[in-house]
Amino acid sequence: QKEVEQNSGPLSVPEGAIASLNCTYSDRVSQSFFWYRQYSGKSPELIMSIYSNGDKEDGRFTAQLNKASQYVSLLIRDSQPSDSATYLCAVINGGGGGADGLTFGKGTHLIIQP
Amino acid sequence: GAVVSQHPSWVICKSGTSVKIECRSLDFQATTMFWYRQFPKQSLMLMATSNEGSKATYEQGVEKDKFLINHASLTLSTLTVTSAHPEDSSFYICSARGGGRGADTQYFGPGTRLTVL
Repeated sequence: QKEVEQNSGPLSVPEGAIASLNCTYSDRVSQSFFWYRQYSGKSPELIMSIYSNGDKEDGRFTAQLNKASQYVSLLIRDSQPSDSATYLCAVINGGGGGADGLTFGKGTHLIIQP
Repeated sequence: GAVVSQHPSWVICKSGTSVKIECRSLDFQATTMFWYRQFPKQSLMLMATSNEGSKATYEQGVEKDKFLINHASLTLSTLTVTSAHPEDSSFYICSARGGGRGADTQYFGPGTRLTVL
């Protein structure tokens, strides 16, 4: 059974600071990793995808992947109150190619304090 | 781009009735769509994978005779909850694969909140 682990939080970060969210996964053959943001009562919204070891930056967001450690992280720079949400780490179930669905972590609840 | 819609956004029904939920990819063709379920304060759980023109693949523990999935076209998949019971009350969310930004990226619909009385 594939597992994706996240600290449920809440993680409280002052406005303007860097929020750091972490995720570990159990299946060593996983190749595709995603971060989604979910506001209360809404469906997930894609923030980043990452496939290769290292960092990937998109605006205020940076995803980091370390396949040897089976670890994925998301950094949010210059955190804003609107970033307050639950952040879901997700991994493709199969070896890639899109045929398989996602396994989600339970999510980290992030609170940005004004 | 990569917009997915769902209808209805919420539905309340009596126990024993059937409910159909539609999932549409509005600006791209989706050969594969996925159905997830989310109970309060829990994460999303994959229910089934739907491929256009073929039978859906269900995850372990999901009753295929209760949750009927039809993927009749490249832009439409439907989930029918048959003989719904209160324990089926949940947030049902579909996703569609495609639309650029990586072939295996999934884009989610807004979800359907089902309440069974």
